[in-house]
Amino acid sequence: TQLLEQSPQFLSIQEGENLTVYCNSSSVFSSLQWYRQEPGEGPVLLVTVVTGGEVKKLKRLTFQFGDARKDSSLHITAAQPGDTGLYLCAGFKNTGNQFYFGTGTSLTVIP
Amino acid sequence: SAVISQKPSRDICQRGTSLTIQCQVDSQVTMMFWYRQQPGQSLTLIATANQGSEATYESGFVIDKFPISRPNLTFSTLTVSNMSPEDSSIYLCSVSGQGYGYTFGSGTRLTVV
Repeated sequence: TQLLEQSPQFLSIQEGENLTVYCNSSSVFSSLQWYRQEPGEGPVLLVTVVTGGEVKKLKRLTFQFGDARKDSSLHITAAQPGDTGLYLCAGFKNTGNQFYFGTGTSLTVIP
Repeated sequence: SAVISQKPSRDICQRGTSLTIQCQVDSQVTMMFWYRQQPGQSLTLIATANQGSEATYESGFVIDKFPISRPNLTFSTLTVSNMSPEDSSIYLCSVSGQGYGYTFGSGTRLTVV
């Protein structure tokens, strides 16, 4: 059983649509990261959120950290084919000094 | 952030053989991490490699199967020993920004036939 569950697991949408990916846990994290991974590459860090309730925007991407620091969401506005990839959340716990990766969401944006 | 060079990028190996994956970082780092990933799925931590000490392995991974070297603060290797088709996967090295996220190598796609 993984500490961080992502939903949906797979998502296929048309270009221009909006979408939200969820990352949920029953555990509290010191910080949470979102990564995007394209085929043949390693995951690339998109954002880190550290404060409960924090919202960060990166162009068309909006990231939110839950008030209790147990969950997070990634919202993409007007998705583009270049957004296609595997999205991973990862929570960091100070106790144990370790990251825990989510189950992953595979996004396909169809032109 | 650090830049990581990982090689080989891919390999096809015969069962029973071993493959050593190399990971070079452009700056000195205390800890390096080795992950395994099935295509399209999440990452599983294999072990944490500290310079000057033995690697710390996660449950389900053992040193005899996945020996790790960490000769200095910028380099590490992971060997996949006595390979079987079940070892076919993507192997990734990474370094941590101390709670502010990882930087990953581009991965090694291993196929065992």
